[in-house]
Amino acid sequence: AQSVSQHNHHVILSEAASLELGCNYSYGGTVNLFWYVQYPGQHLQLLLKYFSGDPLVKGIKGFEAEFIKSKFSFNLRKPSVQWSDTAEYFCAVKPGGSYIPTFGRGTSLIVHP
Amino acid sequence: ETGVTQSPTHLIKTRGQQVTLRCSSQSGHNTVSWYQQALGQGPQFIFQYYREEENGRGNFPPRFSGLQFPNYSSELNVNALLLGDSALYLCASSLETNSREQYFGPGTRLTVT
Repeated sequence: AQSVSQHNHHVILSEAASLELGCNYSYGGTVNLFWYVQYPGQHLQLLLKYFSGDPLVKGIKGFEAEFIKSKFSFNLRKPSVQWSDTAEYFCAVKPGGSYIPTFGRGTSLIVHP
Repeated sequence: ETGVTQSPTHLIKTRGQQVTLRCSSQSGHNTVSWYQQALGQGPQFIFQYYREEENGRGNFPPRFSGLQFPNYSSELNVNALLLGDSALYLCASSLETNSREQYFGPGTRLTVT
């Protein structure tokens, strides 16, 4: 069974700092990759997804992620965070052809104004 | 907001009791997936329903069961509740079983005492 590792469980940044959240997975075949965000008191929502093509994916709110197949990684980045980015971030992996995603345990991001 | 609704918002039950959680999918979506999110963890796939049939199941015992109705709304039933069943239960709807995007509801917080 595949697994997803999010190495940073808690990240604290000041506004305007750059962000990179790590995500590694263990599955050797074709994968579909996702980053979800859960703002305080809100539902889980999709930030961005990768299915095929350009490994650099741009999502909403200035986020992007890069799929590096050789490293089994899909790290999330943002050049300059804002206080409103304070949230829980989840990486998820779905083997190609499967409908069952595996989520990482999440990274809690706190951005100080 | 995604258009996916869940009820109730919060629920407190005693060990050994049974509980039913409800989910209304987004308009036009025929697939509903249920997840369990324990505190400090990512969502874990329970099962998926497609056109009123269970379409796949994660690593959960048979006391977790579900239903999907002709209008595509869904129920999650848990029998013989254990303390470890305390979690946030999320449902997500999508257009098809292997859709590229699923939309999450706000969740039901279940506490078992």
